[in-house]
Amino acid sequence: KAGVTQTPRYLIKTRGQQVTLSCSPISGHRSVSWYQQTPGQGLQFLFEYFSETQRNKGNFPGRFSGRQFSNSRSEMNVSTLELGDSALYLCASSLGGEGYTFGSGTRLTVV
Amino acid sequence: GDSVTQMEGPVTLSEEAFLTINCTYTATGYPSLFWYVQYPGEGLQLLLKATKADDKGSNKGFEATYRKETTSFHLEKGSVQVSDSAVYFCALSDPGSSNTGKLIFGQGTTLQVKP
Repeated sequence: KAGVTQTPRYLIKTRGQQVTLSCSPISGHRSVSWYQQTPGQGLQFLFEYFSETQRNKGNFPGRFSGRQFSNSRSEMNVSTLELGDSALYLCASSLGGEGYTFGSGTRLTVV
Repeated sequence: GDSVTQMEGPVTLSEEAFLTINCTYTATGYPSLFWYVQYPGEGLQLLLKATKADDKGSNKGFEATYRKETTSFHLEKGSVQVSDSAVYFCALSDPGSSNTGKLIFGQGTTLQVKP
């Protein structure tokens, strides 16, 4: 059974650009959550999607957005990148809200 | 709001030593509790979980018991190995209208095991 797949693994972007990250959940999982991990702030919740609807959102500016497709794949977008957006972005999928399975993450570096 | 507090690291142990990583939580509802482990350059792996009071989660020699009376979920292992060196995160899931699909993490505890 394939795990959670995040692409790309590594990304380098310039300040002011935008970026899109992708997450393919475990087959059958309809909930996808996104987290930002930084050394200073730790793991912070970005948002969660279930059946193409955003059900919950963390305390991040509107530059951070996401969506979920009918096949449960999810994307998150960050516009007008800032140096502080450099982080490991983790995606997790869940069948029904318990036992979240994480992907390996996308390491974003903003220069 | 809900929160998780872990003991600060790093924790440095010799191989075969006993491990305890403390975790306490604050929650308004009836949370499920988790321990995740992160190896360098990787994502999070679920180590164990407990969904109700007095449940004991266990995996790969690690154990943790859900203690509602002390709001704790301490991680223990009887004999650590060098390969256990990693960052350990305690987390809770407290389903409710404001917490749907959301894990709340502690700050993480780095464990280093020396041969």
